[in-house]
Amino acid sequence: QITLRESGPTLVKPTQTLTLTCTFSGFSLSTSGVGVGWIRQPPGKALEWLALIYWDDDKRYSPFLKSRLAITKDTSKNQVVLTMTNMDPVDTATYYCAHRNPVYGYFDYWGQGTLVTVSS
Amino acid sequence: QSVLTQPPSASGTPGQRVTISCSGSSSNIGSNSVYWYQQLPGTAPKLLIYRNNQRPSGVPDRFSGSKSGTSASLAISGLRSEDEADYYCAAWDDSLSGWVFGGGTKLTVL
Repeated sequence: QITLRESGPTLVKPTQTLTLTCTFSGFSLSTSGVGVGWIRQPPGKALEWLALIYWDDDKRYSPFLKSRLAITKDTSKNQVVLTMTNMDPVDTATYYCAHRNPVYGYFDYWGQGTLVTVSS
Repeated sequence: QSVLTQPPSASGTPGQRVTISCSGSSSNIGSNSVYWYQQLPGTAPKLLIYRNNQRPSGVPDRFSGSKSGTSASLAISGLRSEDEADYYCAAWDDSLSGWVFGGGTKLTVL
């Protein structure tokens, strides 16, 4: 059974760096084709894809946020970490991590999400 | 402004059939599969349709997906009150080298 859980601060100040951790079980990030992605959703707004890391450490970022994002993995801990620099109130959102289906590439399992508020 | 375009709202009465559209371009829907997610209030998105028209196990056959050119549609037949949710389409975009989502459609069951 695949499960994912996001963790990190619920409140960050403007200009600070956000660090979120996705801890997962039921799969290994060393298995060919597997990946973990991050998607966010501002309150009352649409989903927005942020980043994706593959089993072979290849990485993809949203071109709109690429300069502010970094995604890394720790296969031994079953964790993926997303950092976002220079946080702004518009970055207030629920942040989800999700499992990438190794065959077709879509996100098939999602974490419950964590709400991050950016405010001074 | 989302890359994929969906109507912001849709509605129907119990038992009716409703469709939700998703419009994209040649770099996303035109060249890749479309996926649909259902998001109930206060919960994470749940995969509803994959590879344009495939249902994961456990998704009722009342839900169906289709794709033509640079557009896709989600159809829900025999509408039920528990179908009231937000629905999002998604696709890989070759130009952006990333995933793109629609703006979401809020379905109301009257």
